[in-house]
Amino acid sequence: KAGVTQTPRYLIKTRGQQVTLSCSPISGHRSVSWYQQTPGQGLQFLFEYFSETQRNKGNFPGRFSGRQFSNSRSEMNVSTLELGDSALYLCASSLEGIDTGELFFGEGSRLTVL
Amino acid sequence: AQRVTQPEKLLSVFKGAPVELKCNYSYSGSPELFWYVQYSRQRLQLLLRHISRESIKGFTADLNKGETSFHLKKPFAQEEDSAMYYCALRPLNDYKLSFGAGTTVTVRA
Repeated sequence: KAGVTQTPRYLIKTRGQQVTLSCSPISGHRSVSWYQQTPGQGLQFLFEYFSETQRNKGNFPGRFSGRQFSNSRSEMNVSTLELGDSALYLCASSLEGIDTGELFFGEGSRLTVL
Repeated sequence: AQRVTQPEKLLSVFKGAPVELKCNYSYSGSPELFWYVQYSRQRLQLLLRHISRESIKGFTADLNKGETSFHLKKPFAQEEDSAMYYCALRPLNDYKLSFGAGTTVTVRA
């Protein structure tokens, strides 16, 4: 069974640009959640989607957005990039939802903002 | 708002010695607690959750609501236990997972 796949794995952007990250969950999983991982802040929850609906959002500015498609694949977008957005962005999928607790993580997309 | 605190960034123990990773949380309601682990060059994965009350790879964790703690323990550490460990909290009836800053465990031979 293929795991959670995130693309691209690495990317470099400049301030002011925007970026889109993609996440393909494990087949059959309906929930996708996103996290930002930085050395200083650790893992921070961005948002969770279940059957195309965003059920919760973390404390991030409106520049961070996401969506989920009917096939459960998800994308997150960050507009007007700032230096502080440099991080590893992790996606996790779950069969029934984040409330079951068993999340399966991808390898992450490492974003560097120059 | 909920908060998870892991006071130790680094923990070094000898093989065969007991190991305890501390996790304290602040949340006014009833939470669900988890421990996640990331081994070198592997993905973050669930180690255990408090509701299952299982022992995974020799690790156990007890939820102490009075002390608002969920410490992870293993009586005899092994070299393969060297990893990064994260404590996480989910409020019941909510769809948000809050992680602690993580503890890096090194088990020395």
